[in-house]
Amino acid sequence: AQSVTQPDIHITVSEGASLELRCNYSYGATPYLFWYVQSPGQGLQLLLKYFSGDTLVQGIKGFEAEFKRSQSSFNLRKPSVHWSDAAEYFCAVGVTGNQFYFGTGTSLTVIP
Amino acid sequence: NAGVMQNPRHLVRRRGQEARLRCSPMKGHSHVYWYRQLPEEGLKFMVYLQKENIIDESGMPKERFSAEFPKEGPSILRIQQVVRGDSAAYFCASSPVSSSYNEQFFGPGTRLTVL
Repeated sequence: AQSVTQPDIHITVSEGASLELRCNYSYGATPYLFWYVQSPGQGLQLLLKYFSGDTLVQGIKGFEAEFKRSQSSFNLRKPSVHWSDAAEYFCAVGVTGNQFYFGTGTSLTVIP
Repeated sequence: NAGVMQNPRHLVRRRGQEARLRCSPMKGHSHVYWYRQLPEEGLKFMVYLQKENIIDESGMPKERFSAEFPKEGPSILRIQQVVRGDSAAYFCASSPVSSSYNEQFFGPGTRLTVL
């Protein structure tokens, strides 16, 4: 069965520090992978997506993610976090049948 | 180009009442998805619809919940005889074509509170 695991429920980083949010997936075929961000009371905004090709993908707001097939991972990174990055981050897998499977999310707090 | 619209943004119902949640997809999008987000949880797929057709409702509870996407007008998620456990944020997403690698564009959600 398909599943997405985000092992870190909550992460706190200092402004300007680097960030890595972990995402592991379980899916038998080639996955289509997404990272979304959700600000409080808002909907989800797409940060980046991976379909094929270069395993390092660049997204909006300075985020990037690396697909590692051997580790079934798609971790999100940002070299220098800004206070406005505080939000909930969701990793998702797109599977046939058009369902998206979402992880439970990682809540990011940024301290000055 | 307006994004996905959902209304109402907040809905309060008493136990036993009906809740109707509306979703207007982005212009040019004919595929609509509904998700439910319970407190402290991720989004769970409920149903996938195209115009006048339910394609996949495997995530929809068998009772009290229904969805439609008529030829004209918004998609409607209907919850009959609501219970406290239905309190959640309900998100609608749309996409232009049917594909698992196609981005889904999300609306701002409807936050349902059942008293």
